[in-house]
Amino acid sequence: QVQLVQSGAEVKEPGASVKFSCRASGYTFTSYVMHWVRQAPGQRFEWMGWINPGNGDRKYSQKFQGRVIVTRDTSASTAYMELSSLRSEDTAVYYCARGYSSGIDYWGQGTLVTVSS
Amino acid sequence: DIQMTQSPSSLSTSVGDRVTITCRASQSISSYLNWYQQKPGKAPKLLIYAASSLQNGVPSRFSGSESGTDFTLTISSLQPEDFATYYCQQSYTTPLTFGGGTRVEIK
Repeated sequence: QVQLVQSGAEVKEPGASVKFSCRASGYTFTSYVMHWVRQAPGQRFEWMGWINPGNGDRKYSQKFQGRVIVTRDTSASTAYMELSSLRSEDTAVYYCARGYSSGIDYWGQGTLVTVSS
Repeated sequence: DIQMTQSPSSLSTSVGDRVTITCRASQSISSYLNWYQQKPGKAPKLLIYAASSLQNGVPSRFSGSESGTDFTLTISSLQPEDFATYYCQQSYTTPLTFGGGTRVEIK
């Protein structure tokens, strides 16, 4: 079955960077794009970007342009997202999610990031 | 960005009731509308894709419909395991955008 297993919770100071991982199994990693979405407390879901693991193409939300980088390691069936210049408003649960033609079908379990001094 | 307006934000209801949740897109999104269910501390689960197609394994009491830029999720007879928060999401274009959620609570 499709599984997306994400890295563990992080606590970061303002100004730091954080790198998330998302290991995929149960399907061909290079055949589906991987989205990154976050959910801050009391806020709606916010799409951050996606990567096509097959060819490395990527696209970012304008809101996060310049602060986010998504990469992948096809040999490990793992996608990564790095978010830099963290601020308190970045405290949220971050999800990787498998994308297909009609949207998103499977989600990782989420990674909580707390930004606090 | 396409705005997704979801209503109601919460509702109190009973087991066996029929529940209807609506989502309105700020512009045409064709049928690129998905519905998710989320329980506390868990990842969202896809229920309906392409506005009205039932995801594999999802009970048939869940259904979706569309009329222009208005979309509806219906639960025909609410079961105890259906108490959760429901979200719509458009996948017509990036940035993907989501509704604000509807919390379905026990009356």
